[in-house]
Amino acid sequence: GENVGLHLPTLSVQEGDNSIINCAYSNSASDYFIWYKQESGKGPQFIIDIRSNMDKRQGQRVTVLLNKTVKHLSLQIAATQPGDSAVYFCAERSGGYQKVTFGTGTKLQVIP
Amino acid sequence: ETGVTQSPTHLIKTRGQQVTLRCSSQSGHNTVSWYQQALGQGPQFIFQYYREEENGRGNFPPRFSGLQFPNYSSELNVNALELDDSALYLCASSSGTRSEAEQFFGPGTRLTVL
Repeated sequence: GENVGLHLPTLSVQEGDNSIINCAYSNSASDYFIWYKQESGKGPQFIIDIRSNMDKRQGQRVTVLLNKTVKHLSLQIAATQPGDSAVYFCAERSGGYQKVTFGTGTKLQVIP
Repeated sequence: ETGVTQSPTHLIKTRGQQVTLRCSSQSGHNTVSWYQQALGQGPQFIFQYYREEENGRGNFPPRFSGLQFPNYSSELNVNALELDDSALYLCASSSGTRSEAEQFFGPGTRLTVL
């Protein structure tokens, strides 16, 4: 079923350091995974995605790792900047339509 | 290219009332999905519309209903409002229904039920 977070965990990172945000997903049948960034007062924004037949994908300053054995996703942000401060959600999709199941968000705070 | 827009931005209703929220999809997109995001939680899928037909539904009661129009804009209707319906309502549009078609989210409508 859907993951519902009652309390957002917070990750505080010094500006310039690397950030790692972790996520456990629930549906072993999910075949597509997405990381979203949500800033205050805005809707979620796509960051990077990965298919279930991959274990790593890199974008600009971001890397997503997928471990299907333990149903675990991580998002790595290199050289974290103040503009990266936001809530980050992992999400999974399965089925013939685009129902996206969001995981528990993580609040990233970048310390200048 | 115009992004996803939603109206109104904020809305206050009382318990038992009905509400209609609106979404204009991004240019060229024919699929709209609606999500409910309670404070401090991740968005939860309500339903999706593709070419004016409901194409999938999450675990929400029938008092949550929707429409999609020929121009692919969409409405979310909620009847008999309850206090727990207070949330941010997000719509997302995409081109087609492939699992990997990127969804673009609007800024949301903040609904408060008193």
